[in-house]
Amino acid sequence: GQNIDQPTEMTATEGAIVQINCTYQTSGFNGLFWYQQHAGEAPTFLSYNVLDGLEEKGRFSSFLSRSKGYSYLLLKELQMKDSASYLCAVSLLNSGYSTLTFGKGTMLLVSP
Amino acid sequence: EAGVTQFPSHSVIEKGQTVTLRCDPISGHDNLYWYRRVMGKEIKFLLHFVKESKQDESGMPNNRFLAERTGGTYSTLKVQPAELEDSGVYFCASSPGQGYGYTFGSGTRLTVV
Repeated sequence: GQNIDQPTEMTATEGAIVQINCTYQTSGFNGLFWYQQHAGEAPTFLSYNVLDGLEEKGRFSSFLSRSKGYSYLLLKELQMKDSASYLCAVSLLNSGYSTLTFGKGTMLLVSP
Repeated sequence: EAGVTQFPSHSVIEKGQTVTLRCDPISGHDNLYWYRRVMGKEIKFLLHFVKESKQDESGMPNNRFLAERTGGTYSTLKVQPAELEDSGVYFCASSPGQGYGYTFGSGTRLTVV
């Protein structure tokens, strides 16, 4: 079966750096997404990795190692508004089409 | 451009009643997905439309759930009759094609009492 693990909760201080890890065991891997979700709102796209390595986009970076089934999301210069749930989702390919399989999400609390 | 719109945002119904959720994807997006998050669990895939055709409905829980996408535009998800375990947040997402990101709607929070 498909399995995606990420920590349930993390806390960090404003201005700091935090790394949210995600490990996965899936078949038909077609890329890995990170989404941010504030309570009551839509998950919003942060990053997409399909090849190994680091993708940087402003304060956010995402890393992927396909051989290890591992990814992380790195958030720098944390701001209070970064308090949210961070969802790791693996894109799985089936009959030429992909769907997303999600982890349970990591609730990040940024404190002053 | 307008995002993915879902209606209603909240719905409270009694067990045994029928509820219909609606999703309007981003215009021109052929791919439309329904997902559900039950409290305490991860977001789970329900089904995938390509235009008006059901490409994959392997995640639909049972035959009380019926999804349609007439004309390949908006989609509806009907639950009939609703059960307590159907409570959760139902998300819709759309994408223009494979290799593109998904845009999610804000979800419909369904509570069955």
